[in-house]
Amino acid sequence: QLQLQESGPGLVKPSETLSLSCSVSGGAITSSDYYWGWIRQSPGKGLQWIGNVDYSGTTNYNPSLKSRVTISVDTSKNQISLDLSYVTAADTAVYFCARRKGGTSWRDFWGQGTLVTVSS
Amino acid sequence: QSALTQPASVSGSPGQSITISCIGTSSDVGTFNYVSWYQQNPGKAPKLIIYDVTNRPSGVSNRFSGSKSGNTASLVISGLQAEDEAVYYCNSYTSVRTWVFGGGTKLTVL
Repeated sequence: QLQLQESGPGLVKPSETLSLSCSVSGGAITSSDYYWGWIRQSPGKGLQWIGNVDYSGTTNYNPSLKSRVTISVDTSKNQISLDLSYVTAADTAVYFCARRKGGTSWRDFWGQGTLVTVSS
Repeated sequence: QSALTQPASVSGSPGQSITISCIGTSSDVGTFNYVSWYQQNPGKAPKLIIYDVTNRPSGVSNRFSGSKSGNTASLVISGLQAEDEAVYYCNSYTSVRTWVFGGGTKLTVL
């Protein structure tokens, strides 16, 4: 059974860079069939798609975050990473990683999510 | 990109059917059959219940069904049960190769 697990600091200072990892177990991240993405949810709010990456490192980002976001894949560790720079309180959210099958909207496996608070 | 438009809340009694709408544009819902629906319970990750407009993943009850007409996608839950109470989100692919979510709909089972 595939499992995704997010990890990273729970507290980040304003203007700094938020860095998270998503470790994938039970399946290879190198499969060309899937995309790996990040989605966030501010407290009490809805879901926001941040971006995704494929096994080759090709990325797509939410235009509203594009200037601050980098998503990458580390095949040696079977994990993907998220960097979000120049964070503000508005970036406080639960961050989820998820897998989507290419050519479909079938986003079947999600991590449990990790809360990141931006505060000094 | 603007979020897809969903009603903030819907309600229904056990056994009834409800419909949640998801209004997009010709740049997302209206053009692509890559619309999915998620069910989210408090403190949990979203759970996929419909993908590619009408398809149900294995293990999802056939009381959940999806459809699309023009720029509007819909989720129907029939035979409402107390366990269906949750927040539901729609999601669509867009013409600029991104994905956009709806604002979410809180379903209350009376």
